[in-house]
Amino acid sequence: ELKVEQNPLFLSMQEGKNYTIYCNYSTTSDRLYWYRQDPGKSLESLFVLLSNGAVKQEGRLMASLDTKARLSTLHITAAVHDLSATYFCAVDNFNKFYFGSGTKLNVKP
Amino acid sequence: DGGITQSPKYLFRKEGQNVTLSCEQNLNHDAMYWYRQDPGQGLRLIYYSQIVNDFQKGDIAEGYSVSREKKESFPLTVTSAQKNPTAFYLCASSHPQETQYFGPGTRLLVL
Repeated sequence: ELKVEQNPLFLSMQEGKNYTIYCNYSTTSDRLYWYRQDPGKSLESLFVLLSNGAVKQEGRLMASLDTKARLSTLHITAAVHDLSATYFCAVDNFNKFYFGSGTKLNVKP
Repeated sequence: DGGITQSPKYLFRKEGQNVTLSCEQNLNHDAMYWYRQDPGQGLRLIYYSQIVNDFQKGDIAEGYSVSREKKESFPLTVTSAQKNPTAFYLCASSHPQETQYFGPGTRLLVL
């Protein structure tokens, strides 16, 4: 069965710092997705990465995909409190989605 | 406005009762999904459907049932066989090989 592992699971960081969340998956896939979930809310789509070497950026977040290493990263630049949320990566295999456990990010002022 | 809706927002279940959660989408998506999320945890797949009148079990289908009679609707029934149903239930839909769009969720609580 396809497995998706995220690390770290919890991340507490100061505003203004940089950090990276890692997402490893266990089988070949060319499509990887990142989602954000605010406390008590649903998930919203952040990035769709569709090929090896794909890089997407939105504000202080940048996501990349290395299909050969089966690794995606979500890089946070100069974190701000508004980025505090849980971030999930997911891989789809024949339209069945496999999610990581999530990384709970807390950005402290 | 295109989107995916879930109702009710909160649902209370009594012992031995079946309850049904609604999920509707007007995005013209073929695929629809139901997930369960326990506090502080990730998403677990209950059922999914890739086309009308067809659906597959996910990882935790026991105690749940679904139907897919219309493209836009994918209701989930939590049966009395589900002994620990308290959770946040999320419905999602997607086109093939595209990202999922999630509904706002239903919180199910046991009385």
